[in-house]
Amino acid sequence: DIQMTQSPSSLSASVGERVTITCRASQDINIYLGWYQQKPGKAPELLIYAASSLQSGVPSRFSGSGSGTDFSLIISGLQPEDFATYYCQQVNSFPYTFGQGTKLEIK
Amino acid sequence: EVQILESGGDLVQPGGSLRLSCAGSGFAFSTYAMSWVRQAPGKGLEWVAGMSGSGDRSSHADSVKGRFAITRDNSNNMLFLQMNSLRAEDTAIYYCARDRAAGGMFGWFDPWGQGTLVTVSS
Repeated sequence: DIQMTQSPSSLSASVGERVTITCRASQDINIYLGWYQQKPGKAPELLIYAASSLQSGVPSRFSGSGSGTDFSLIISGLQPEDFATYYCQQVNSFPYTFGQGTKLEIK
Repeated sequence: EVQILESGGDLVQPGGSLRLSCAGSGFAFSTYAMSWVRQAPGKGLEWVAGMSGSGDRSSHADSVKGRFAITRDNSNNMLFLQMNSLRAEDTAIYYCARDRAAGGMFGWFDPWGQGTLVTVSS
């Protein structure tokens, strides 16, 4: 199975800041990487697919980059509603696997 | 409006069985792959099983292989997860999720249902 490792596991930041969350795959997954946001008590929501494509309806302050084994999710200009947990997911091969999550908290 | 609604979660004893259901509406159900993803209390996300739109392809996580089975009924826009030989570690919220695009098994999920809670305990 492909292991997905996110860093950091938690992060404190202020409104307006730019933050970067990274995700590393245990083997080459090309661009078959997605990012999700999950708020407490809610289902996850897709933000980014194919490493850098913005899902419809997602604000443009979210962006993704990377290919192969190293990927990043960047949030430019944090908004209060962005404080949540973020997960990466590989879909290069079964079983699909998620990173362990990054909890973004207000500083 | 696209909607996904899970049902069937319950408290069940170890070794017991349960069948989860997922109803899809507002989209051409048979053209989209669907998956089940679970989340244990306070933990991260784990993909459980997925099936193609036509039902000719499926895959299951190793942790549930041989115990769980994903099926679908396209005539009624329904997805199912038959769960047998349940263990305490299967306790989780189970989400039903649609592939973001039709026509294949792409694996990025949008939208998700609200989830249904399965508790395995004596």
